[in-house]
Amino acid sequence: SQQGEEDPQALSIQEGENATMNCSYKTSINNLQWYRQNSGRGLVHLILIRSNEREKHSGRLRVTLDTSKKSSSLLITASRAADTASYFCATDPSGGSNYKLTFGKGTLLTVNP
Amino acid sequence: DADVTQTPRNRITKTGKRIMLECSQTKGHDRMYWYRQDPGLGLRLIYYSFDVKDINKGEISDGYSVSRQAQAKFSLSLESAIPNQTALYFCATKEGETQYFGPGTRLLVL
Repeated sequence: SQQGEEDPQALSIQEGENATMNCSYKTSINNLQWYRQNSGRGLVHLILIRSNEREKHSGRLRVTLDTSKKSSSLLITASRAADTASYFCATDPSGGSNYKLTFGKGTLLTVNP
Repeated sequence: DADVTQTPRNRITKTGKRIMLECSQTKGHDRMYWYRQDPGLGLRLIYYSFDVKDINKGEISDGYSVSRQAQAKFSLSLESAIPNQTALYFCATKEGETQYFGPGTRLLVL
């Protein structure tokens, strides 16, 4: 079963706008990660936020985590056409052996020039 | 980033054929994984391995087998391919909390 569920499934914006994607999950976690996938290619790790963190930044990326609501958001500021990709959240459940991540179904982001 | 490589990148096969997808990594990671990706379903775990002697089934292992020939190599086999195994297959390694993915193998079973 999927631990993380991204919302929306698809998002289309203009270059320069901000893009926000959300992820909800079901069980307690050690950390939550966001990955990016360009069309037909492998996933690339973007950013990790631990369960005791509320916000994290990396360049144009801002991730928030609300463990009480079991949700996270990924904000991409000043988007570029090159940001067009699918974005996945992945959860590392707590209480486990840290052996695998569980991925959501992804949000397809299209940034129009 | 060519640290995790997969061969072939594309493969067309017929129902009933046996095929092998190969994965190699130069990252020196012990943990390796095979996923399949289908439209609208995200990534699903097929098999994972902690080291050469430790191989475990994932959530959708039926119809697949794996071999960990060395720390750097993890192969996925479809013993008798069927059309619903048409998908994009990814190999990945894991170090600490982060996974590193290969470029994928696109498989079409006719």
